[in-house]
Amino acid sequence: TQLLEQSPQFLSIQEGENLTVYCNSSSVFSSLQWYRQEPGEGPVLLVTVVTGGEVKKLKRLTFQFGDARKDSSLHITAAQPGDTGLYLCAGLYGNKLVFGAGTILRVKS
Amino acid sequence: NAGVTQTPKFQVLKTGQSMTLQCAQDMNHEYMSWYRQDPGMGLRLIHYSVGAGITDQGEVPNGYNVSRSTTEDFPLRLLSAAPSQTSVYFCASSYGHQYQETQYFGPGTRLLVL
Repeated sequence: TQLLEQSPQFLSIQEGENLTVYCNSSSVFSSLQWYRQEPGEGPVLLVTVVTGGEVKKLKRLTFQFGDARKDSSLHITAAQPGDTGLYLCAGLYGNKLVFGAGTILRVKS
Repeated sequence: NAGVTQTPKFQVLKTGQSMTLQCAQDMNHEYMSWYRQDPGMGLRLIHYSVGAGITDQGEVPNGYNVSRSTTEDFPLRLLSAAPSQTSVYFCASSYGHQYQETQYFGPGTRLLVL
């Protein structure tokens, strides 16, 4: 059982569509991070959310941290083929940074 | 800065062999960690270190050893390789282990154990 559950596991959409990826836990986290990973490379940090209810925007990406700090979402508006990749959420659990299983996103042109 | 470097990029081992995966960073980061990535499992923490001379276990430490004699280097040792250790291994570092820290990942080592 993973501490952070991500859904969906896999998402295949057409260019221009919107999508939301979820990261849920029964534990409270002091912060959550979202990473993006491309094939053959290591993950790269997109954003860190710290405050319950916080919303951060990064161009077409919107990140939200739940009020209770147990969940987070990533919303992509008008997805583009360049958004294709593996999206991972991660939370600090004591001294350990733990990751969800990830969501594989494929955007078709 | 080279960032986080890992060697080798690929490795094939036979069951029972031992080897060391190298990880180095030139950013003077205190926190370093090792993850393995398997399909459908995301990244799972093997071992981590909050500074030179200090290491601790992560979620899946069995079969792996680490040491941190310098700030720059954090090698991961497989004592007796098993097919279940076939995976992609990532090393990461950050300035500290506080919640706001960005983890910088290396390019990964792909390991196949036959």
